[in-house]
Amino acid sequence: GAGVSQSPSNKVTEKGKDVELRCDPISGHTALYWYRQSLGQGLEFLIYFQGNSAPDKSGLPSDRFSAERTGGSVSTLTIQRTQQEDSAVYLCAGRVSGNTDTQYFGPGTRLTVL
Amino acid sequence: GQQLNQSPQSMFIQEGEDVSMNCTSSSIFNTWLWYKQEPGEGPVLLIALYKAGELTSNGRLTAQFGITRKDSFLNISASIPSDVGIYFCAGGPQGGSEKLVFGKGTKLTVNP
Repeated sequence: GAGVSQSPSNKVTEKGKDVELRCDPISGHTALYWYRQSLGQGLEFLIYFQGNSAPDKSGLPSDRFSAERTGGSVSTLTIQRTQQEDSAVYLCAGRVSGNTDTQYFGPGTRLTVL
Repeated sequence: GQQLNQSPQSMFIQEGEDVSMNCTSSSIFNTWLWYKQEPGEGPVLLIALYKAGELTSNGRLTAQFGITRKDSFLNISASIPSDVGIYFCAGGPQGGSEKLVFGKGTKLTVNP
């Protein structure tokens, strides 16, 4: 994805620990999405931020998952008390408002929960 | 929730062969999109379709938005080794939703 960065690229953690994943979108992208991609699966929508509106959290799988977007730019996805089933690649995407299709994806963070 | 059925799950072809993959849904979509994902990268948009019946090409790639608005296909002609990757379809639902629904992907392997 052009300019969208995510960190860390890989994260290995122990079951029960909390993790924070970061997304730096392209400047000017008013909308930001988080997706989860499990092995051999498609992209599962998690949460969507649009400008100053309340985020659409309808895809978060449990209350252990939360995300915030500070200053309309950087976003962090936090997973508390990680479980093995949380192991996946977490992708962030940004887009210009009003243009649903042109989502620019970051390279993802591969999370492994032991 | 809305789901997309993408097939085939995987394909193993020889360089130079043509490839076809498709997505179907029980729901109507306003847009159909095709993405390609290479290892260690996020998906990259290949083709976007906005109207039922629309046929769009991007180099050796051709995609169509089905007349019923419930399906789409992607063809790749004269495949080359760099075509390897996972191809995802995605649908933009009706009602102004700004969330895409993704298929599970088609993993393409091209043997030189």
